[in-house]
Amino acid sequence: DAGVTQSPTHLIKTRGQQVTLRCSPKSGHDTVSWYQQALGQGPQFIFQYYEEEERQRGNFPDRFSGHQFPNYSSELNVNALLLGDSALYLCASSHQGSGPETQYFGPGTRLLVL
Amino acid sequence: SQKIEQNSEALNIQEGKTATLTCNYTNYSPAYLQWYRQDPGRGPVFLLLIRENEKEKRKERLKVTFDTTLKQSLFHITASQPADSATYLCGDTGRRALTFGSGTRLQVQP
Repeated sequence: DAGVTQSPTHLIKTRGQQVTLRCSPKSGHDTVSWYQQALGQGPQFIFQYYEEEERQRGNFPDRFSGHQFPNYSSELNVNALLLGDSALYLCASSHQGSGPETQYFGPGTRLLVL
Repeated sequence: SQKIEQNSEALNIQEGKTATLTCNYTNYSPAYLQWYRQDPGRGPVFLLLIRENEKEKRKERLKVTFDTTLKQSLFHITASQPADSATYLCGDTGRRALTFGSGTRLQVQP
């Protein structure tokens, strides 16, 4: 059973460019969340997708957008990249249920903006 | 504002000792707290979840407590091993997505 997978593993972009990161959830999971983790910090919640819709959003600008596909996989898009967008981007999947949703994280995509 | 806070200073202990990590929350009362382990360059891995009405939860060498009076959760690793060296994150799942603390780095010396 494959866990959460993300691609690419590393990425280098320049300021002003756009980037798309991809995530495939763990088998049986229907909810995908994205987090940004700067060096030495805890992950910061960007947004969560369920049933192909953005269900909840953290305190991130509109430059950050996403999508969820019918097979539950997801993309994170960041436009007009800034140096401060350099971070580890984590995708986490979970199953919508009645209790707290334990999240299963992928290995992350390391983005460097020059 | 609502906050989850962890001691950002690294914790260094000797192998075989008990490591105790602290997670404090302010300005609200989470219904659940989750603890994750994160190794460098990798995603966090779920360890334990504790509900506000549970005082204590155990899993093998791990123990988590939840003190609603002190607004604090403690995470213990007994008989620590060098392989336990990692960053440990406390997270609140009160609103579906996780709000994490900044994590505490644990270094277990052989």
